Amino acid sequence: QKEVEQNSGPLSVPEGAIASLNCTYSDRVSQSFFWYRQYSGKSPELIMSIYSNGDKEDGRFTAQLNKASQYVSLLIRDSQPSDSATYLCAVKVLNTNAGKSTFGDGTTLTVKP
Amino acid sequence: GAVVSQHPSWVICKSGTSVKIECRSLDFQATTMFWYRQFPKQSLMLMATSNEGSKATYEQGVEKDKFLINHASLTLSTLTVTSAHPEDSSFYICSARAPGQDYGYTFGSGTRLTVV
Repeated sequence: QKEVEQNSGPLSVPEGAIASLNCTYSDRVSQSFFWYRQYSGKSPELIMSIYSNGDKEDGRFTAQLNKASQYVSLLIRDSQPSDSATYLCAVKVLNTNAGKSTFGDGTTLTVKP
Repeated sequence: GAVVSQHPSWVICKSGTSVKIECRSLDFQATTMFWYRQFPKQSLMLMATSNEGSKATYEQGVEKDKFLINHASLTLSTLTVTSAHPEDSSFYICSARAPGQDYGYTFGSGTRLTVV
């Protein structure tokens, strides 16, 4: 079992719809959770981080965390074609500067105009 | 915001030669940087953790003598791919945690290495 699992997709949604991206992790002591967006041929960029159970909203993005179910998700409201990218879920055991993150394989999202 | 600068963006080299990739944190200090490799349509693979002033920590299966990492200052880490072979062709990306970014990473722009 992979430490961080994501559906590879591709996930396709029409413009203006809600895109839902899911991620599960295996290490129960994980404390930090991140979503990165990676456009084709580019390096990843951090878009959301979440540490506590519940929802965290930032503009059109909402991260949801359920530690009991070891599940983290990312919702993108009013999806735009520019949101088309691969979304990487990352998990970190410790809330430390040096601790490394474990990445999922990513979900490819296509938003169709 | 904080920027991690990575150079070169792309490089083509002959088989058997060595290539050095630089990763610089601009406007912030990074005691720890991470080096990743990504093959087409695959996820990030952590190669090593670069620690300022000490030896790098390599992930299992990564040859430390082939992928030399030097983190001589708080703003610069370098990865040297020695005796490169075509199978080393990949997208190499460095990252660091920037201040005020919770515990997430800022990534460099990546280096696309092609060994011919």
